[in-house]
Amino acid sequence: DAGITQSPRHKVTETGTPVTLRCHQTENHRYMYWYRQDPGHGLRLIHYSYGVKDTDKGEVSDGYSVSRSKTEDFLLTLESATSSQTSVYFCAINSGTGTDTQYFGPGTRLTVL
Amino acid sequence: QKEVEQDPGPLSVPEGAIVSLNCTYSNSAFQYFMWYRQYSRKGPELLMYTYSSGNKEDGRFTAQVDKSSKYISLFIRDSQPSDSATYLCAGGGATNKLIFGTGTLLAVQP
Repeated sequence: DAGITQSPRHKVTETGTPVTLRCHQTENHRYMYWYRQDPGHGLRLIHYSYGVKDTDKGEVSDGYSVSRSKTEDFLLTLESATSSQTSVYFCAINSGTGTDTQYFGPGTRLTVL
Repeated sequence: QKEVEQDPGPLSVPEGAIVSLNCTYSNSAFQYFMWYRQYSRKGPELLMYTYSSGNKEDGRFTAQVDKSSKYISLFIRDSQPSDSATYLCAGGGATNKLIFGTGTLLAVQP
């Protein structure tokens, strides 16, 4: 295992409520990523972080925000959840030593009713 | 056009068959290529990593990259039912970001 945990693993929420997903790593890796995975779209990058307090947008960042106050934790927040954000969310880490190799967490299954 | 194209399948083969999974890509800056295996309701796990063109072998798995045609392949020899999963290809190019294909669902029938 790459030392990545995600919480919660499953969540059902209602449209308009805020939701925060947590990714925790024990590898002290510099880079952390949030993806969503949907049928027919594969893995799409939402946001990523290249260090504490350093984040940038990915391909599908609208409606999402992130924060990284510690090396080991990367939070993904849906400010006001919509049904289109029903998805499986994966966190990944990368040591940043130049090989681009990413290791994934177990995923969070989010349903927005 | 997506940067990485992958046939979604599903691909069904009998146990013991040789499986060929393929992707094409359009980004000439890609230097690294990966194959991930994802079992149902699990996170993707890194299966093979290849730098630039050439072949890499690991047990029953061989990854092949042809940068001239922008084509990447994964071959599985002596396929087993436990190989049944979705296989994702990905490319990266010193940006610390990967671009993934949509995945190919493989079913190996006993």
